[in-house]
Amino acid sequence: GAVVSQHPSWVICKSGTSVKIECRSLDFQATTMFWYRQFPKQSLMLMATSNEGSKATYEQGVEKDKFLINHASLTLSTLTVTSAHPEDSSFYICSARNHDRGLVSGANVLTFGAGSRLTVL
Amino acid sequence: ILNVEQSPQSLHVQEGDSTNFTCSFPSSNFYALHWYRWETAKSPEALFVMTLNGDEKKKGRISATLNTKEGYSYLYIKGSQPEDSATYLCAFWGYNTDKLIFGTGTRLQVFP
Repeated sequence: GAVVSQHPSWVICKSGTSVKIECRSLDFQATTMFWYRQFPKQSLMLMATSNEGSKATYEQGVEKDKFLINHASLTLSTLTVTSAHPEDSSFYICSARNHDRGLVSGANVLTFGAGSRLTVL
Repeated sequence: ILNVEQSPQSLHVQEGDSTNFTCSFPSSNFYALHWYRWETAKSPEALFVMTLNGDEKKKGRISATLNTKEGYSYLYIKGSQPEDSATYLCAFWGYNTDKLIFGTGTRLQVFP
């Protein structure tokens, strides 16, 4: 079945540093990648949607200069948290969709990574 | 703001018990309702995608129903087993949104 590998699974960094999280689709082409963030006891909140080869679309309230998303290939998308601060500490998770499966978008299941726990000291 | 609610937040049942939980979502502009199963330290795994009012889907001991007119879906687990312990997420996909809106999940623990 479809697999998305997400790394690192956890990271601790100092305030002011940047952290990069990678998501790779291992056996399919991820034409669309969604990036979510989850704070404790809250739901997965969509941060941005990226389509391969084009700029990401950010949700309202998400700073695009702080959360840099790159989706340069059909198998790799990265999220870079720039100049991280303690309030950026959260759980970040990606999910991928493959348009080539021939289903209408909303009926496509998403394939998720296992998530990355970021702690900023 | 689109809101997806799940209840209960958590559930503890004994092995062999059957259980069910609810997902409530907007009844307008409905396109699809997704259910995912999320075990600790693993990736959420798709269970069902439902698009038609009255739809019922089944996967082993797990089944789901959908009522798009009133905006709810039920997930049922028959004869719960310890390996069913996980968080069950539902997510709503509306027309013209191109994104999933998730509920906060129901955390199920099944005790042997």
